[in-house]
Amino acid sequence: GAGVSQSPRYKVAKRGQDVALRCDPISGHVSLFWYQQALGQGPEFLTYFQNEAQLDKSGLPSDRFFAERPEGSVSTLKIQRTQQEDSAVYLCASSSLRDLYNSPLHFGNGTRLTVT
Amino acid sequence: QQPVQSPQAVILREGEDAVINCSSSKALYSVHWYRQKHGEAPVFLMILLKGGEQKGHDKISASFNEKKQQSSLYLTASQLSYSGTYFCGTVAYGGATNKLIFGTGTLLAVQP
Repeated sequence: GAGVSQSPRYKVAKRGQDVALRCDPISGHVSLFWYQQALGQGPEFLTYFQNEAQLDKSGLPSDRFFAERPEGSVSTLKIQRTQQEDSAVYLCASSSLRDLYNSPLHFGNGTRLTVT
Repeated sequence: QQPVQSPQAVILREGEDAVINCSSSKALYSVHWYRQKHGEAPVFLMILLKGGEQKGHDKISASFNEKKQQSSLYLTASQLSYSGTYFCGTVAYGGATNKLIFGTGTLLAVQP
């Protein structure tokens, strides 16, 4: 079946612009995660949804970052007034279960954001 | 809080073996392992659960020492396709069981 799909694949934004990154998880997956990955680093947790509920947003770096999943499927990560330090790959992942201790994450290919 | 992996990088010839280690400062429910090739998504390899249960890959093995909060990934008879960056991910006690914290990464290059 189809995997996790993210769009756009690449995004270039001028500093101060707003951007919206989209994630289509695997159909039926309850849990959806956003991670930020800087060059040469491991993915860093941003936020987590269980169905439409955002249960953890402790990793969002500032109030310029906002995520939603209004119908419990597609999710959007929005970054307002982008800054150069926001440049990174943004990865979306989904899981069929609520808990990750025994359930793998399925990742999309990510959106590479470059802020100039 | 981020798990520490060692080595940071390793270069192998095809057919050689490698061990990648992951160490956490927290008591763990489970450890995940993922491989990421350049420009691609991380791909799930294995989950190791408290109590010894494993879920994942046929050709890669791993261990989980719960008392030491450490895990090791064993790559035997390496193939060119094994090249990439390996990340462990941990689910810790005392935190949310729906949060996976990734390690520092190990870059593996397999040469012909």
